[in-house]
Amino acid sequence: DAGITQSPRHKVTETGTPVTLRCHQTENHRYMYWYRQDPGHGLRLIHYSYGVKDTDKGEVSDGYSVSRSKTEDFLLTLESATSSQTSVYFCAISEFPRRLYGYTFGSGTRLTVV
Amino acid sequence: KNEVEQSPQNLTAQEGEFITINCSYSVGISALHWLQQHPGGGIVSLFMLSSGKKKHGRLIATINIQEKHSSLHITASHPRDSAVYICAVRWERSNFGNEKLTFGTGTRLTIIP
Repeated sequence: DAGITQSPRHKVTETGTPVTLRCHQTENHRYMYWYRQDPGHGLRLIHYSYGVKDTDKGEVSDGYSVSRSKTEDFLLTLESATSSQTSVYFCAISEFPRRLYGYTFGSGTRLTVV
Repeated sequence: KNEVEQSPQNLTAQEGEFITINCSYSVGISALHWLQQHPGGGIVSLFMLSSGKKKHGRLIATINIQEKHSSLHITASHPRDSAVYICAVRWERSNFGNEKLTFGTGTRLTIIP
């Protein structure tokens, strides 16, 4: 959907370098999420945001930080990339009340750390 | 531990067959989602349900709250239905400060012409 875009779509980076992934939405949804997807695991939550400058950790947050300075943008930063962070990263958005709104996912970013 | 299990992990069927994918979860939920992930990788939300049954085209999703079980059915399956189907739940005790979906590992469906 055009309402949510991720950039870049693919990235190869070296171990130890910082990397920032961007999620941009045009839906004005309050909630934004970063997930990672790895073989043998369901999607796992890294961090989420429930408003501008309001963020919280998910279940696999070590080595990641996030920022949300505007409603439409949610940035995920790998402070010093490691090979274990090679993964596909998905951004998602949602709104309240959640009994009415589902989740919309971005197209994913494939990150390879060499 | 709050868990979501899907079965089967892989399913291959002939075009036209009726398909059933199952999802079981461990404790009470406030909502269950069915998602579709195509080979290109994008994830699309198919259904969100908390009770009963929903239908969209050839897709039907049902949920049995007492048995903690949901099924996704596809009627008259077609090769374009080939994808990974993912179940995800939001636990009943999730609150504003603890927003979290737990995802199953997915069912890979292949429909042969």
